[in-house]
Amino acid sequence: NAGVTQTPKFQVLKTGQSMTLQCAQDMNHEYMSWYRQDPGMGLRLIHYSVGAGITDQGEVPNGYNVSRSTTEDFPLRLLSAAPSQTSVYFCASSPNTGELFFGEGSRLTVL
Amino acid sequence: GESVGLHLPTLSVQEGDNSIINCAYSNSASDYFIWYKQESGKGPQFIIDIRSNMDKRQGQRVTVLLNKTVKHLSLQIAATQPGDSAVYFCAENVSNTGKLIFGQGTTLQVKP
Repeated sequence: NAGVTQTPKFQVLKTGQSMTLQCAQDMNHEYMSWYRQDPGMGLRLIHYSVGAGITDQGEVPNGYNVSRSTTEDFPLRLLSAAPSQTSVYFCASSPNTGELFFGEGSRLTVL
Repeated sequence: GESVGLHLPTLSVQEGDNSIINCAYSNSASDYFIWYKQESGKGPQFIIDIRSNMDKRQGQRVTVLLNKTVKHLSLQIAATQPGDSAVYFCAENVSNTGKLIFGQGTTLQVKP
């Protein structure tokens, strides 16, 4: 079972570049979300979606865009990367807003 | 704003002893709480959850206690094993917001 799949696993960007972190789930979950995890800190919610066509902001949404055109996919876009966005990013899905199933993470470095 | 915090960043226990990891939350509207385990280089994994209409829930070797009066949550691990070494996070689901907010995590170190 694939579960939640994130790509890429590692990425290095220069300041100002743009990129998209991909997230796909094959469990037909309605709820999906993106978190970032920094050293010494817990996971902070960036954006989330309760279903296709619906997205909302989390705790730290600035600098990130999301869309949810299908139930399966929830990409996270960085339009102009900044060093402060260096982090490990986790995508998660859930059949409701309870237990989350996480991907393996995407490690992003912005130089 | 809401916050979920853990009392200790690191907990060191002897193999075979019981572990207790604590968490304090601040949002009275939270109605669902989850404990996650994160091993190095991996995403968090679900351990156990509890709803606000309960004060205790047991799983295999783990027990979660919820004290709504003082907004406190704890995770008890019985007979701690080396494989339990990880970072443990509590998370709260703020009712009707769709948000699951995580605490900062406690690193559990199990000494052989």
